[in-house]
Amino acid sequence: GAGVSQSPSNKVTEKGKDVELRCDPISGHTALYWYRQSLGQGLEFLIYFQGNSAPDKSGLPSDRFSAERTGGSVSTLTIQRTQQEDSAVYLCASSRTSPGELFFGEGSRLTVL
Amino acid sequence: SQQGEEDPQALSIQEGENATMNCSYKTSINNLQWYRQNSGRGLVHLILIRSNEREKHSGRLRVTLDTSKKSSSLLITASRAADTASYFCATDRNSGNTPLVFGKGTRLSVIA
Repeated sequence: GAGVSQSPSNKVTEKGKDVELRCDPISGHTALYWYRQSLGQGLEFLIYFQGNSAPDKSGLPSDRFSAERTGGSVSTLTIQRTQQEDSAVYLCASSRTSPGELFFGEGSRLTVL
Repeated sequence: SQQGEEDPQALSIQEGENATMNCSYKTSINNLQWYRQNSGRGLVHLILIRSNEREKHSGRLRVTLDTSKKSSSLLITASRAADTASYFCATDRNSGNTPLVFGKGTRLSVIA
């Protein structure tokens, strides 16, 4: 596609359930980022993939969070045993080079009841 | 952790006025970028300024960078109601292949 695609756009889940969020970056972009944005707040860095290098996981808030990027393209962010404080918009971005201009998806809004 | 911090947190101006937002950061950087976010949407890249540049223009946008003070400013001239959005600065640490870290943003309201 022409831009970064994220799914689902909205997800409502119950506390304790696992969720998977998907990001389809722009074709050819080697860098992929996940950020989290709580209501009215800035972006919190979660994880960063760059080419074939080991991902930078330094922003993941707990071991309930994990992410993978298959074949250097699509990425999945998994949150296990969701908590109410996980409620936020999860934003994915990709870039052709790093550092470089980031292209963002529209985000996945997660609500944990 | 937050690398850049924008100031002010919120700014309200009349249409036609200029809007200035500031960003301060903590460590040496390769470049600094500014992004815009309309409510509930993804971020859109506005401008990138490299650490060896001091000023850059793009349309009604003017960005300055002062690496000695570790600060940057974004000026929007002749503001329009459509400029209403949140504006974020983002930096990468000048130490290897590091991710972009964003500040908390400035919420700009332009009143028609």
